[in-house]
Amino acid sequence: QSVLTQPPSVSAAPGQKVTISCSGSSSNIGNNYVSWYQQLPGTAPKLLIYDNNKRPSGIPDRFSGSKSGTSATLGITGLQTGDEADYYCGTWDSSLTAVVFGGGTKLTVL
Amino acid sequence: QVQLQESGPGLVKPSETLSLTCTVSGGSMRSYFWSWIRQPSGKGLEWIGYFYYTGTIHYNPSLKSRVTISGDTSKNQFSLKLNSVTAEDTAVYYCARLPQMTVGSAGAPSFDYWGQGTLVAVSS
Repeated sequence: QSVLTQPPSVSAAPGQKVTISCSGSSSNIGNNYVSWYQQLPGTAPKLLIYDNNKRPSGIPDRFSGSKSGTSATLGITGLQTGDEADYYCGTWDSSLTAVVFGGGTKLTVL
Repeated sequence: QVQLQESGPGLVKPSETLSLTCTVSGGSMRSYFWSWIRQPSGKGLEWIGYFYYTGTIHYNPSLKSRVTISGDTSKNQFSLKLNSVTAEDTAVYYCARLPQMTVGSAGAPSFDYWGQGTLVAVSS
């Protein structure tokens, strides 16, 4: 059971927008910064968003992040079939004194 | 371009010690945190711990009793040892870089470079 809660799966059509939620508590998301990762099948995770809403160089602005209270959201617009992947949120948990991740969300582009 | 590469045995016997090394190329280990993360097949990510180039080390409390992480910045390598392994330790093990752990007083871990991962199976 993961400390951060994500929906197991989401789906949307090509060109549409999807959001993936990540729910936590005051000991993690509520008082720390959130990062998001994309994991294509058979590959290592790739950083998409850091510090809640910043994109590393090379990440298209179709990907966005936001945080409100103890929840965070990853948004993806203009969906492409190449976006089909597992997406993970992560942050620091001040009570556990550990980096924690969500259980992952599988995105299907129909 | 920074690259990370895990190396080590792909098969470990139960109760023995899992040992992996991550070699960093294309950049210095200075000023960064270096971490191990694992992922059982079909499951999510679990953070194991980090090594900071000054020698500071922090472990996930859930694994702390069995884990040792060390680093040699002169060789651009850091290592993982996990003892008393069981089948539950079977996973893909990744090494990764963190540019920072905090922003101000808030935790801000983000892993910007990852190794390709190495599968370690625990079996007799």
